[in-house]
Amino acid sequence: AQRVTQPEKLLSVFKGAPVELKCNYSYSGSPELFWYVQYSRQRLQLLLRHISRESIKGFTADLNKGETSFHLKKPFAQEEDSAMYYCAPGINNAGNMLTFGGGTRLMVKP
Amino acid sequence: IAGITQAPTSQILAAGRRMTLRCTQDMRHNAMYWYRQDLGLGLRLIHYSNTAGTTGKGEVPDGYSVSRANTDDFPLTLASAVPSQTSVYFCASSLEEGRGAQHFGDGTRLSIL
Repeated sequence: AQRVTQPEKLLSVFKGAPVELKCNYSYSGSPELFWYVQYSRQRLQLLLRHISRESIKGFTADLNKGETSFHLKKPFAQEEDSAMYYCAPGINNAGNMLTFGGGTRLMVKP
Repeated sequence: IAGITQAPTSQILAAGRRMTLRCTQDMRHNAMYWYRQDLGLGLRLIHYSNTAGTTGKGEVPDGYSVSRANTDDFPLTLASAVPSQTSVYFCASSLEEGRGAQHFGDGTRLSIL
């Protein structure tokens, strides 16, 4: 079964500090992974997908197969980055479920 | 604007009442999902549908039912609401069955008293 784990429920940093939101996966095959962001009281939005290798809003995420990780990084956090971040697989696991990670709340303090 | 529409936006409901949350998408996506979001528990999948006419159980299906009569609509029904079903409910869809990026609705905030 494909699962993702986000070990931190809350991450608090100061503005301008680097940010790393952790996501680990356990997959039996090639993973397909996404990061979603949810700003306060809004819908979840797709932030990044691992196959695109792009940078969105200054965030990047690299798939590390050796460490089975897909951590989300940003070199300099901004206050507007404060939100909930979810890591999620893009391939159905056993039973056709797409199981999200538990989410990490990022708080960027001024 | 293409996307997912959920209704109602919010609802206060007495325990024991029946309630249907509506979800409609206009993207012709095959797969649709219902999640509940609770503080400290993240997003948990309730039910899903890989294509019209089929549905499946997610992580927390008890007390909920769904139907998928056509591609666009995926209603979620609480047959007899209980306070533990107080939550924010999100509907989502993805183009392909069981894979790919998901598109989310704005959510329904449901309070069961």
